Amino acid sequence: AQTVTQSQPEMSVQEAETVTLSCTYDTSESNYYLFWYKQPPSRQMILVIRQEAYKQQNATENRFSVNFQKAAKSFSLKISDSQLGDTAMYFCAHLPNAGNMLTFGGGTRLMVKP
Amino acid sequence: DGGITQSPKYLFRKEGQNVTLSCEQNLNHDAMYWYRQDPGQGLRLIYYSQIVNDFQKGDIAEGYSVSREKKESFPLTVTSAQKNPTAFYLCASSMIYGENYEQYFGPGTRLTVT
Repeated sequence: AQTVTQSQPEMSVQEAETVTLSCTYDTSESNYYLFWYKQPPSRQMILVIRQEAYKQQNATENRFSVNFQKAAKSFSLKISDSQLGDTAMYFCAHLPNAGNMLTFGGGTRLMVKP
Repeated sequence: DGGITQSPKYLFRKEGQNVTLSCEQNLNHDAMYWYRQDPGQGLRLIYYSQIVNDFQKGDIAEGYSVSREKKESFPLTVTSAQKNPTAFYLCASSMIYGENYEQYFGPGTRLTVT
């Protein structure tokens, strides 16, 4: 069974600074998908970024980028130029293949301070 | 607008009563999912379905039931056998073919049982 671990329950960052959220996972699959989701106070789950395990290039979406280390089974999220609207819970998730269940980490609560 | 709708947003029930949570999607997605979220925790899978009239149990299916009579709809029934039903319930959907397998989430239903 897959497991996903987020070792930082809470983090804070000053507005405009950069912050990195950690995620490690365990899987026996050679190909899979990894995601970061954001859950603001509204509780709507919003996809932030995705990474296919067969792609060596790290995914980037505007201010959000990942550091995907397949051998180490690590998938960290970097948020650059942090904004107040980035304040939310962030969940790392693993998908073994299409149509299957997502396994979520326990989440990291990020607070962006003005 | 394409998306996933869940109703109602808040639901209150007395202990011992069954209750059904609605989930509808117009994204033409093949797969649909139900997750449960408890305070301060990640999401756990209850049930998922990849095709009409077929569904599979997730990690915490006991005390829940689902049906998939239409591609667009995947209602979840919380039965009186569920020992701790108070939680936030999220429905999601995804493609299972093509290139984009990420799961898109509805706004959620907060169920309180007293």
